[in-house]
Amino acid sequence: DAGVIQSPRHEVTEMGQEVTLRCKPISGHDYLFWYRQTMMRGLELLIYFNNNVPIDDSGMPEDRFSAKMPNASFSTLKIQPSEPRDSAVYFCASSPSNRWETQYFGPGTRLLVL
Amino acid sequence: AQKITQTQPGMFVQEKEAVTLDCTYDTSDQSYGLFWYKQPSSGEMIFLIYQGSYDEQNATEGRYSLNFQKARKSANLVISASQLGDSAMYFCAMREGNNFNKFYFGSGTKLNVKP
Repeated sequence: DAGVIQSPRHEVTEMGQEVTLRCKPISGHDYLFWYRQTMMRGLELLIYFNNNVPIDDSGMPEDRFSAKMPNASFSTLKIQPSEPRDSAVYFCASSPSNRWETQYFGPGTRLLVL
Repeated sequence: AQKITQTQPGMFVQEKEAVTLDCTYDTSDQSYGLFWYKQPSSGEMIFLIYQGSYDEQNATEGRYSLNFQKARKSANLVISASQLGDSAMYFCAMREGNNFNKFYFGSGTKLNVKP
């Protein structure tokens, strides 16, 4: 069975541009999480979904960030406009409802905003 | 105050020996969960083990065990019979309450396993 799939794996963009990160969770998993990892702030939970519904987005840094989950097999994290301080590795993770604590992480998207 | 404290920025262990990675937490909630993750140099994050605050027995997953001492608010990870592939960053994390809107990570411990 395929793991969590994220695309792109690397993204370099210029300040002010829109960035869209994509995630395909493991089939059958009801929870989906978006994390950000930076040297300065470490790992942070940005938002998570349960059955495609955003449960809590209090970790989203500001209005420039938005996340959607239009169906059970796809989620996006969008940054518009992007800024250099958004440079980080963004992880998507999913977990099944009967073992929600067991999160399976994707390989991450390394974002660099110039 | 820090929610999760990992006091060992780096550690060395000899292959085949056991190693304990320290983690202390701070919460006033009665219900919480504790997690450990591994991040190899390749960058991916790997879930290792989970302990609920009401679980009376220490969690174990293969060579990993979580030494849960509730009164001391510690949740140390014990890796038995270290392998070279265990060299990685290890993060302790805590979820307060019953959902993930309060989820905190420690700063990590870099473990190096020597042959």
